[in-house]
Amino acid sequence: GDSVTQMEGPVTLSEEAFLTINCTYTATGYPSLFWYVQYPGEGLQLLLKATKADDKGSNKGFEATYRKETTSFHLEKGSVQVSDSAVYFCALSEGTGTASKLTFGTGTRLQVTL
Amino acid sequence: GAGVSQSPSNKVTEKGKDVELRCDPISGHTALYWYRQSLGQGLEFLIYFQGNSAPDKSGLPSDRFSAERTGGSVSTLTIQRTQQEDSAVYLCASSLTGSLYGSYTFGSGTRLTVV
Repeated sequence: GDSVTQMEGPVTLSEEAFLTINCTYTATGYPSLFWYVQYPGEGLQLLLKATKADDKGSNKGFEATYRKETTSFHLEKGSVQVSDSAVYFCALSEGTGTASKLTFGTGTRLQVTL
Repeated sequence: GAGVSQSPSNKVTEKGKDVELRCDPISGHTALYWYRQSLGQGLEFLIYFQGNSAPDKSGLPSDRFSAERTGGSVSTLTIQRTQQEDSAVYLCASSLTGSLYGSYTFGSGTRLTVV
């Protein structure tokens, strides 16, 4: 079945450091890929997405490129801020037609310090 | 409504009691999903509705769990004879055209504690 593997957390960085959170996936078809973020005390929010190979999703300075050859969708940001402290979830969907479920990774907690 | 609304936000129940969790999706969203987030775990899919029907209920962990959706809108997740391992945050999400094309909007969740 489909699965998503994320790097273990927590990840602790100083402000303005470079961020990479690794994500790899296993899927039978050609999934869409997502990064969701959960800020403290808030619900999950979509951060970015990519629907086909070589697409780059980007939002709020974060970006991730859909790499079919390495089945990866690593999240990067060039300069993190304290406000980026949150839990980040990588996810995939193999839905066709109307809808289907998302399969999530276990999440990576990011803590950014001054 | 403006967002996905879940109630209650917190629920403490005694082992063996039944609980009902409610989700009010964004108006017009045809797809509705239930997930469970346990401490230290990722998000676990439970069930998905398209309109009032549930094409995929493969994630329901046991027959103590059931869900329904009426009027293509509000959904209720019912857990009968709760057990301590049911303690988790139950998340509801809705989407307009499905996750392939768009994105889910999640509610803030119901934190269920079984004591």
